[in-house]
Amino acid sequence: GENVEQHPSTLSVQEGDSAVIKCTYSDSASNYFPWYKQELGKGPQLIIDIRSNVGEKKDQRIAVTLNKTAKHFSLHITETQPEDSAVYFCAAFLNNDMRFGAGTRLTVKP
Amino acid sequence: EAGVAQSPRYKIIEKRQSVAFWCNPISGHATLYWYQQILGQGPKLLIQFQNNGVVDDSQLPKDRFSAERLKGVDSTLKIQPAKLEDSAVYLCASSSLQGGGKLFFGSGTQLSVL
Repeated sequence: GENVEQHPSTLSVQEGDSAVIKCTYSDSASNYFPWYKQELGKGPQLIIDIRSNVGEKKDQRIAVTLNKTAKHFSLHITETQPEDSAVYFCAAFLNNDMRFGAGTRLTVKP
Repeated sequence: EAGVAQSPRYKIIEKRQSVAFWCNPISGHATLYWYQQILGQGPKLLIQFQNNGVVDDSQLPKDRFSAERLKGVDSTLKIQPAKLEDSAVYLCASSSLQGGGKLFFGSGTQLSVL
């Protein structure tokens, strides 16, 4: 089955800096790659996603890139703010099967 | 649009007791998922329903866990008897058939087994 690895496990940045989280997946047939943000005591919330026929997608300060050849995708957050502090999960989807990475705890220091 | 509703928010039980969790998905979402999230890990799929049928329960520990979605809307997940290692957050998610994998999660039930 699909295996998703996520790095780093923790990330600390200064407010205003950029943050990058990287994921790799094992099954080249996976075709949908969402990113979720999970705040303390809440369920994961979808923040951005990308499908396998697209290489990059941007939504305001958040962007995701996908390299199908290398089987990796990344989340980029620019101009980070304290409210961006949370745990971020990547996932890969294939045939009704969604596999999640282990998560990255992002801390944005004011 | 109302989100995915789950209850209870928290549950503390002793090992060998039983517990049940309830989920009401977003209206019109045919697919419902139960995930287990152990502290510090990503969500792990326990069972997936499409309408009232099971699509995937390969990772459900069937000797102690059971789930149903009798009318194809809300769902219950039960653990009987609970073990210490069942302490986790149990997340329910739903998606539409046209959603292409886009999942919407509830806030989860945090279970502590003592």
